[in-house]
Amino acid sequence: GESVGLHLPTLSVQEGDNSIINCAYSNSASDYFIWYKQESGKGPQFIIDIRSNMDKRQGQRVTVLLNKTVKHLSLQIAATQPGDSAVYFCAENPGDYKLSFGAGTTVTVRA
Amino acid sequence: DTEVTQTPKHLVMGMTNKKSLKCEQHMGHRAMYWYKQKAKKPPELMFVYSYEKLSINESVPSRFSPECPNSSLLNLHLHALQPEDSALYLCASSTNRGSYEQYFGPGTRLTVT
Repeated sequence: GESVGLHLPTLSVQEGDNSIINCAYSNSASDYFIWYKQESGKGPQFIIDIRSNMDKRQGQRVTVLLNKTVKHLSLQIAATQPGDSAVYFCAENPGDYKLSFGAGTTVTVRA
Repeated sequence: DTEVTQTPKHLVMGMTNKKSLKCEQHMGHRAMYWYKQKAKKPPELMFVYSYEKLSINESVPSRFSPECPNSSLLNLHLHALQPEDSALYLCASSTNRGSYEQYFGPGTRLTVT
């Protein structure tokens, strides 16, 4: 599968392969993290979330991994499909009931 | 109904105009948010309403004036905007302010000429 070790703004992946999108968060006090997907012309759509007392959570075709030691979050998409082409944002809750969004990764799926 | 709707979809306004953006949700959510998103950038929080009261203002210029007339509606009144205010304005809602799973609307694409 395709992956990035550090956050990169773009990711190109072959249809059917697995994708890994990485995100480094900034605040060690953050206790909640979300991945959002934003397709062109649409608002962000919730994908999956994870609390800081967990290190892994699975959804349908997606898995989120949390490494609090290095403040790293990743989203794995299994068997990437053309409909997965979008911008993916990680977001953290640094406190005071706000979400802070990361820079985003544009995923392009090649047929 | 799990949808947040926003009107209009697109808006072009001059710097002397007054216009309003509208957001509506019927999920019974008691927290509503306005975000601004520039091209290829993440959403930036502008305002948070909790139980129809403004709870967070992220130092937004006064030319943006939010209003929450009831638990389902959120408005953003615009006056004397600048070209750099051109962006996608997103509305979101969540069960309450302590719930971070926010549901976003499709946004209003604003162009200030």
